[in-house]
Amino acid sequence: QKEVEQNSGPLSVPEGAIASLNCTYSDRGSQSFFWYRQYSGKSPELIMSIYSNGDKEDGRFTAQLNKASQYVSLLIRDSQPSDSATYLCAAPARDGSGNTGKLIFGQGTTLQVKP
Amino acid sequence: EAQVTQNPRYLITVTGKKLTVTCSQNMNHEYMSWYRQDPGLGLRQIYYSMNVEVTDKGDVPEGYKVSRKEKRNFPLILESPSPNQTSLYFCASSLSGLADYNEQFFGPGTRLTVL
Repeated sequence: QKEVEQNSGPLSVPEGAIASLNCTYSDRGSQSFFWYRQYSGKSPELIMSIYSNGDKEDGRFTAQLNKASQYVSLLIRDSQPSDSATYLCAAPARDGSGNTGKLIFGQGTTLQVKP
Repeated sequence: EAQVTQNPRYLITVTGKKLTVTCSQNMNHEYMSWYRQDPGLGLRQIYYSMNVEVTDKGDVPEGYKVSRKEKRNFPLILESPSPNQTSLYFCASSLSGLADYNEQFFGPGTRLTVL
């Protein structure tokens, strides 16, 4: 069973700080990763995707991928109370032929940004 | 507006009474999927569909049926609901299920309670 794992938290940071969310995955063949944000009672929304080793920046968000260590992280700079949500890491499950069509989600990390 | 819609949004039913949750997308996406979300268990995939007439099991398919007769619709059928199917259900779609850019767009969710 391919797995994607996250610390469920909660991760609490003060307003203005950098929040660091981490995700590890078991399938060494995984090529793409997604970070979704989910507010309580709402549907997940995609905030970042990353396919290559290194950093990808989008506004206050930076995704980092290290395939050798099999982890992907999400940094949120200048954290705001409105960033308080659950952040889900996801990766497509793969077999010998490529992606299977299944998407594996981590359990999510709850982030609390305190004013 | 590009979107995934689900109906109903809330449903309370009794054990054994067949029900259908509808899902529709207007983005001409090939791939559609159903997830359930439970506290502490994250998002788990029930069924997915690569294209019309093509469906496959996710990680938790027991007790559910799906069909994909049209590209835009992917209904979830519970033939004989049981209390352990009480959950928050999400439908999602993406352009392709096989490409690495498997960015999925989620519907608003259906909260189902089975008494």
